[in-house]
Amino acid sequence: RKEVEQDPGPFNVPEGATVAFNCTYSNSASQSFFWYRQDCRKEPKLLMSVYSSGNEDGRFTAQLNRASQYISLLIRDSKLSDSATYLCVVGSNFGNEKLTFGTGTRLTIIP
Amino acid sequence: NAGVTQTPKFQVLKTGQSMTLQCAQDMNHEYMSWYRQDPGMGLRLIHYSVGAGITDQGEVPNGYNVSRSTTEDFPLRLLSAAPSQTSVYFCASRGRTGRSHGYTFGSGTRLTVV
Repeated sequence: RKEVEQDPGPFNVPEGATVAFNCTYSNSASQSFFWYRQDCRKEPKLLMSVYSSGNEDGRFTAQLNRASQYISLLIRDSKLSDSATYLCVVGSNFGNEKLTFGTGTRLTIIP
Repeated sequence: NAGVTQTPKFQVLKTGQSMTLQCAQDMNHEYMSWYRQDPGMGLRLIHYSVGAGITDQGEVPNGYNVSRSTTEDFPLRLLSAAPSQTSVYFCASRGRTGRSHGYTFGSGTRLTVV
């Protein structure tokens, strides 16, 4: 079983729709959680950290369920610029220097 | 403020050659890491550093060396390149405070070993 698992997609979603991604992780001792986005042939960029209480940043909402060991990302009112690959990332130790990346979920927003 | 700078952007090596991938950051970040990204696989940690003079192995360290003589620079050395090291390499850094802030990545080096 992979340490961090994501549905690879692709998700093809019309502009303005709401889309949700889930990610599961296997290490119950994981301490830190992130969503990154990666555009084609570019570097990953931090989208948002994920906190136990859940957190929101504009159109993006992240949730963490420690009991079930999954993380979710919700994108509301999707824009064409949201087209990217979304990476679920988990840090297993306190310093989170050893990050484990999922393989990513490909999202395409359709005009 | 340039962030994390990686050079070169592209490189082709012959099997057995050695080379150094350069990484520099100007944000005074203590933590730096090297990842490789291969198709169908998530980014995998090669080596990381928590400060000048301190390095440690990640998930896939074999065939690579690192050193951290200054806070700014974290070069990755390929000792004897193999085709299995064909990949995209990313360097990343973060500051000591704000663990939840995550890492900032460089734009990557695309390496092909023939």
